[in-house]
Amino acid sequence: DAGVTQSPTHLIKTRGQQVTLRCSPKSGHDTVSWYQQALGQGPQFIFQYYEEEERQRGNFPDRFSGHQFPNYSSELNVNALLLGDSALYLCASSLVGGRTGELFFGEGSRLTVL
Amino acid sequence: QQQVKQSPQSLIVQKGGISIINCAYENTAFDYFPWYQQFPGKGPALLIAIRPDVSEKKEGRFTISFNKSAKQFSLHIMDSQPGDSATYFCAASKGGGSNYKLTFGKGTLLTVNP
Repeated sequence: DAGVTQSPTHLIKTRGQQVTLRCSPKSGHDTVSWYQQALGQGPQFIFQYYEEEERQRGNFPDRFSGHQFPNYSSELNVNALLLGDSALYLCASSLVGGRTGELFFGEGSRLTVL
Repeated sequence: QQQVKQSPQSLIVQKGGISIINCAYENTAFDYFPWYQQFPGKGPALLIAIRPDVSEKKEGRFTISFNKSAKQFSLHIMDSQPGDSATYFCAASKGGGSNYKLTFGKGTLLTVNP
């Protein structure tokens, strides 16, 4: 049973560029959430997708956008990259109506902005 | 505004000892309090969680104590082992189901010496 998979695992970009991160949820899950984890900090909620729509959003600018596909996989896009966007981006999946709180995280995509 | 405050930032315990990590929250609407464990290079994994209708929950060597009036909750790791060395995050959320967002603390780096 595959867990949450994310790609790429590491990437380096320069300021002003755009990046796309990808996530495949755990088998049977229908909801995907994205979190940003800066070095030495706890994860911060970016947004959540369910039924291909953004359902909740954290305190992140519009430069952060996402998408969910019919197969429940998801993408996180960040435009006009800033140095402060350097972080570990975590994808978490869950099942609406499933056991409350069972968020399963992937291993993350480490983004470095130079 | 940091809604979930976690302490200590780091903790060193001898093998067999008790590790205690504390968290305090501000939002009285929070009704779900999980603890996550994160090893280097991995995503966070759910360890144990509690709802405010109980004051304590135990799973193996891990216990959550919850004080609703003080808006505090803590994680106790009994008989700490070197394999428990990891970063621990407390979190909180409001609302039911699995389509909610988690607010994390900043984490505690636990080192268990052999």
